[in-house]
Amino acid sequence: EIVMTQSPATLSLSPGERATLSCRASQSVNRNLAWYQQKPGQAPRLLMHTSSTRATGVPPRFIGSGSGTEFTLTITSLQSEDFATYYCHQYKDRPPVTFGGGTKVEIK
Amino acid sequence: QVQLVESGGGLVKPGGSLRLSCEVSIFTSKSDFNDYYINWVRQAPGKGLEWVAYISASGNTIYYADSVKGRFTISRDNTRNSLSLQMKTLRAEDTAVYYCATYDYGGHDAFEYWGQGTMVTVSS
Repeated sequence: EIVMTQSPATLSLSPGERATLSCRASQSVNRNLAWYQQKPGQAPRLLMHTSSTRATGVPPRFIGSGSGTEFTLTITSLQSEDFATYYCHQYKDRPPVTFGGGTKVEIK
Repeated sequence: QVQLVESGGGLVKPGGSLRLSCEVSIFTSKSDFNDYYINWVRQAPGKGLEWVAYISASGNTIYYADSVKGRFTISRDNTRNSLSLQMKTLRAEDTAVYYCATYDYGGHDAFEYWGQGTMVTVSS
């Protein structure tokens, strides 16, 4: 099983600041990496697939990068609606697909 | 383009059973239900996402997480655009919101579409 490790667990930032979220895979997943945003009481929403391709309707301030075992999600300028929890997800090997433990982006 | 709606959650005692359903609507002429593999993903209260089970488009290939293998059964009815998750011998650690999720047909394999989830609580 591929283990996905996200860091940090919590990121405390102010609106307008830049957020950098990391995700590491225990073995290479090539570019088969997705990012989801989840707000309380809601289902996850796909933000990014294939490491760096934004899903439909995702604003350009969200930037994904990386390949192999190291991935980054950058939010260039945090908006109020961006404060949420973010999960990475590898779908190279299945079963099982695996998720990271999440990074909560909170208002400082 | 794809809508998923889960149902069937509720409160059940440890050792009990529950059957979840996921109704799928396809709003595109380029594909139909028979084209989509479907996953169940769960989320315990205050915790992260955990993949639970997978069923292929035809229903011939099925996978389970080790944590539910032998207790949960995933199935689909391609005539009714629906799938189910039969859960038996439930444990407290099965308490979670259960989502069905699927991908972008003809595109990538990430989980593009999610249902709203249904809550399962295992408690005496």
